[in-house]
Amino acid sequence: NAGVTQTPKFRVLKTGQSMTLLCAQDMNHEYMYWYRQDPGMGLRLIHYSVGEGTTAKGEVPDGYNVSRLKKQNFLLGLESAAPSQTSVYFCASSLGPGELFFGEGSRLTVL
Amino acid sequence: GQQLNQSPQSMFIQEGEDVSMNCTSSSIFNTWLWYKQDPGEGPVLLIALYKAGELTSNGRLTAQFGITRKDSFLNISASIPSDVGIYFCAGLNSGGYQKVTFGTGTKLQVIP
Repeated sequence: NAGVTQTPKFRVLKTGQSMTLLCAQDMNHEYMYWYRQDPGMGLRLIHYSVGEGTTAKGEVPDGYNVSRLKKQNFLLGLESAAPSQTSVYFCASSLGPGELFFGEGSRLTVL
Repeated sequence: GQQLNQSPQSMFIQEGEDVSMNCTSSSIFNTWLWYKQDPGEGPVLLIALYKAGELTSNGRLTAQFGITRKDSFLNISASIPSDVGIYFCAGLNSGGYQKVTFGTGTKLQVIP
């Protein structure tokens, strides 16, 4: 049972580079989310999607873009990475609002 | 935005002891969720609470949904070394898109 799979698991970028994090879920969930986790700050919602073709901003959306072209995939893009975006990124999915299932995380370092 | 205050931020306990942690909010929530995160992993759902006053157990874990709908607590009885990790509360708000807001976490260390 794969559940929620994130790729890549680790990445190092230089300031100004771009990259995309991929999240895939095999549970046929409608809702998908991208969170970032920083020490002492818990999990903060970046963007989310309530269904294929829809996206919406969370608490900390600046500097990120997302797309949900297929129900099972939710992509998080950084167009021009900044050191402040160094973090651990978690993707999650849920059937409806509430009980989220998380991936294992993607650790991003921006130099 | 909404904030969830979790306390304590961290705790060291002896194996076998009971643990209590809580979460408070300035806003009302319809659902309270408790997650555990092991090192290097994503959070995993432990308990979900859906009604004010509800008390739910999952093995050695017990959680309650506060009557005011603005707080929740989690108890762990007879702690064991594998209880080590970060525990997050999360609340699901009412109205509009029902967004899940997470607390800042309680880091638990168990001394064998």
